[in-house]
Amino acid sequence: AQSVTQLGSHVSVSEGALVLLRCNYSSSVPPYLFWYVQYPNQGLQLLLKYTTGATLVKGINGFEAEFKKSETSFHLTKPSAHMSDAAEYFCAVSEGSGYALNFGKGTSLLVTP
Amino acid sequence: GAVVSQHPSRVICKSGTSVKIECRSLDFQATTMFWYRQFPKQSLMLMATSNEGSKATYEQGVEKDKFLINHASLTLSTLTVTSAHPEDSSFYICSARQGNNEQFFGPGTRLTVL
Repeated sequence: AQSVTQLGSHVSVSEGALVLLRCNYSSSVPPYLFWYVQYPNQGLQLLLKYTTGATLVKGINGFEAEFKKSETSFHLTKPSAHMSDAAEYFCAVSEGSGYALNFGKGTSLLVTP
Repeated sequence: GAVVSQHPSRVICKSGTSVKIECRSLDFQATTMFWYRQFPKQSLMLMATSNEGSKATYEQGVEKDKFLINHASLTLSTLTVTSAHPEDSSFYICSARQGNNEQFFGPGTRLTVL
């Protein structure tokens, strides 16, 4: 079985500050890990994913995440928050490419001026 | 990336009626489609997995007779919510993949049952 836990349902940062959204996973097989962003009343947009290989993954909009097997973590970061980053962020895990995803409960990011 | 569309984007219906939601892969052949449900301020929960030409596989707790899924072609899957009730009001999102490739998500359908 696979699952992810997102720590913090709400995160608030100032514009220009570091964004850190936490995700820990549980998996009995080598995981594929994903971060998605969802704007209100819209579908999901893939930010980045980890499959195999390099543990530091760079995604769109300046986001990146690092796979740490020893910590079972896949935290999402961005050096400098923009107002447009305000959205809901979901971490997800799957057994492989194309498999159904198990999503975390989501973290709502608020960016203040 | 590949494009997945859903229709309608929003639907309001009366309790007891049935509603059909379409999910289309516009520029690739989707051998597998997934249907997810998202309640307000909650995460997405997988409802069922649909492979073209075969019966859908439903997750535990999802009533297959209530949520009818048809995947008759490589570009179209439909989800029909039968005898809808207010508790079925939710955001329904599909995703599609070709073979074992990455899955792409549709924009979602907001269902409101009065």
